[in-house]
Amino acid sequence: EPEVTQTPSHQVTQMGQEVILRCVPISNHLYFYWYRQILGQKVEFLVSFYNNEISEKSEIFDDQFSVERPDGSNFTLKIRSTKLEDSAMYFCASTLGGANTEAFFGQGTRLTVV
Amino acid sequence: ELKVEQNPLFLSMQEGKNYTIYCNYSTTSDRLYWYRQDPGKSLESLFVLLSNGAVKQEGRLMASLDTKARLSTLHITAAVHDLSATYFCAVAGGSQGNLIFGKGTKLSVKP
Repeated sequence: EPEVTQTPSHQVTQMGQEVILRCVPISNHLYFYWYRQILGQKVEFLVSFYNNEISEKSEIFDDQFSVERPDGSNFTLKIRSTKLEDSAMYFCASTLGGANTEAFFGQGTRLTVV
Repeated sequence: ELKVEQNPLFLSMQEGKNYTIYCNYSTTSDRLYWYRQDPGKSLESLFVLLSNGAVKQEGRLMASLDTKARLSTLHITAAVHDLSATYFCAVAGGSQGNLIFGKGTKLSVKP
């Protein structure tokens, strides 16, 4: 069964460092998303990406964040200068057709900023 | 701003009992999703509800959507321990398919 894959599963980084989280969406899906979940809290939308550009973003997705689809398969989330409060589980998701279609989530990357 | 509220946030049940989790949302939407999350794991899609009156069932779980009341319910029938997890409802927040999640209901089913 097709699935969304994320790497790494766990990343520890020092405050102020840049991190890149990687995702491989399901191959025929067209819409890609990043969400985050701070430990014990709800899942929060960060950004959606379609046709090689950001289509929607939340207030959380400030200038410290960026997304990219560097090739035909990978979808990345970069945090330029990590803060302690960026520690969370980051989930990548993809859908075939955006709204009205089911979102499939990856296993997540646990980011720990120390 | 779209808000999604679930209740209860914590639910402790005995095996064999029935219960309902409620999901209210604040603006018009006809797309609602239920997910299950086990501790430390990802989100598993349970149901996609795309129209008013939609009802879907899978095993001991049944979900319904009332768009006029802006309410979805997840009904658990004859709970078993394997259903212990956190259940999230989510509403489509825009045309791009991004989801706004509720805070989740942590379900614990005890023998």
